[in-house]
Amino acid sequence: NAGVTQTPKFRVLKTGQSMTLLCAQDMNHEYMYWYRQDPGMGLRLIHYSVGEGTTAKGEVPDGYNVSRLKKQNFLLGLESAAPSQTSVYFCASSYSRVGPETQYFGPGTRLLVL
Amino acid sequence: DAKTTQPPSMDCAEGRAANLPCNHSTISGNEYVYWYRQIHSQGPQYIIHGLKNNETNEMASLIITEDRKSSTLILPHATLRDTAVYYCIVRGIISNFGNEKLTFGTGTRLTIIP
Repeated sequence: NAGVTQTPKFRVLKTGQSMTLLCAQDMNHEYMYWYRQDPGMGLRLIHYSVGEGTTAKGEVPDGYNVSRLKKQNFLLGLESAAPSQTSVYFCASSYSRVGPETQYFGPGTRLLVL
Repeated sequence: DAKTTQPPSMDCAEGRAANLPCNHSTISGNEYVYWYRQIHSQGPQYIIHGLKNNETNEMASLIITEDRKSSTLILPHATLRDTAVYYCIVRGIISNFGNEKLTFGTGTRLTIIP
């Protein structure tokens, strides 16, 4: 049981390049999330999904797109990377639809945009 | 979600109990108190949560005051590996019609001293 995994662990992009970050979970969780974390700040929610085929915007969605074609995978795309998107990206997943919910986080992807 | 207030940093001697306070004076009746921690460069890790009763698990204990306006996370025998940023989060339950993100503030940076 690997939990939540993220690919890649680290990436350097040039401004304007595109890339996709992959998040996978093997816990059969319904909900999945993408957060970003910048130095000295807490985590901010980018997008989330409440089930296969569904996505929704979080608090900082601009410049990102997501897809949830399979329940176990949640993809985060950057169509045209900007230096402001340099950050550490964390994926999380959770099971509960109702009641208290525990989110399980991946190890993070460090992205540097030059 | 109710706002939380935590001290920015604390030190604790190795082997002693670490007591991390959190104020959440605007908490509402159906909101839970969650604690997560983030060890340097890793994804956040769930520790414990509670509604109004004190809770204990293999990692920690959570003490919630009777008026629920504050709580304390207790790590009973702190080790060097407990050095991390600890986040106190107040959050309502997930409903079938929406999703409430985890709002991570800046937390408390706990340093365990040998």
